[in-house]
Amino acid sequence: GDSVTQMEGPVTLSEEAFLTINCTYTATGYPSLFWYVQYPGEGLQLLLKATKADDKGSNKGFEATYRKETTSFHLEKGSVQVSDSAVYFCALATSGGSYIPTFGRGTSLIVHP
Amino acid sequence: EAQVTQNPRYLITVTGKKLTVTCSQNMNHEYMSWYRQDPGLGLRQIYYSMNVEVTDKGDVPEGYKVSRKEKRNFPLILESPSPNQTSLYFCASSFMADSPLHFGNGTRLTVT
Repeated sequence: GDSVTQMEGPVTLSEEAFLTINCTYTATGYPSLFWYVQYPGEGLQLLLKATKADDKGSNKGFEATYRKETTSFHLEKGSVQVSDSAVYFCALATSGGSYIPTFGRGTSLIVHP
Repeated sequence: EAQVTQNPRYLITVTGKKLTVTCSQNMNHEYMSWYRQDPGLGLRQIYYSMNVEVTDKGDVPEGYKVSRKEKRNFPLILESPSPNQTSLYFCASSFMADSPLHFGNGTRLTVT
């Protein structure tokens, strides 16, 4: 079945540091890929998405590129802020068959001033 | 405002006492689903629905029931809760199978 693997955390950075959170996937068919963010005490919310190979999703300074050849969708941000502290989930979803979007286990990001 | 509303936010109950967690969305989405979030395990899908009166099992359906009598509502029912169902539960909806999910704010359930 489909699966998503993302780097374990927590990832601890100082403010203005560069962020990378790795995500790789396996899927049958052609999935859409997503990054969701969960702030403390809240539900998940969409951060960015990409629907086909070589697409780049971006939002709030975060970026991720859909790499079909390496089955990856790594999340990056050039300069993190304390307010970026949250848990980040990589996920995929496909349009055929059953409706079971697949999530990674989440990566906690802690940004210190 | 487009949103998924689930209630209650917090629930403490005892083993065996039936409970229902409600979920409602106002975006006319076809797809709705329930997840549980546990430390170290991420999100796991419990049940999903692709339309009214159409529901199916996700990855961890044991001990749960759902119904989809109306498009906007998708309640989660625990007929006889047990302590291993203590978890954080999220309802979510989406327009299509591969569209982004919209999540509720979660229900933290404790079963003693």
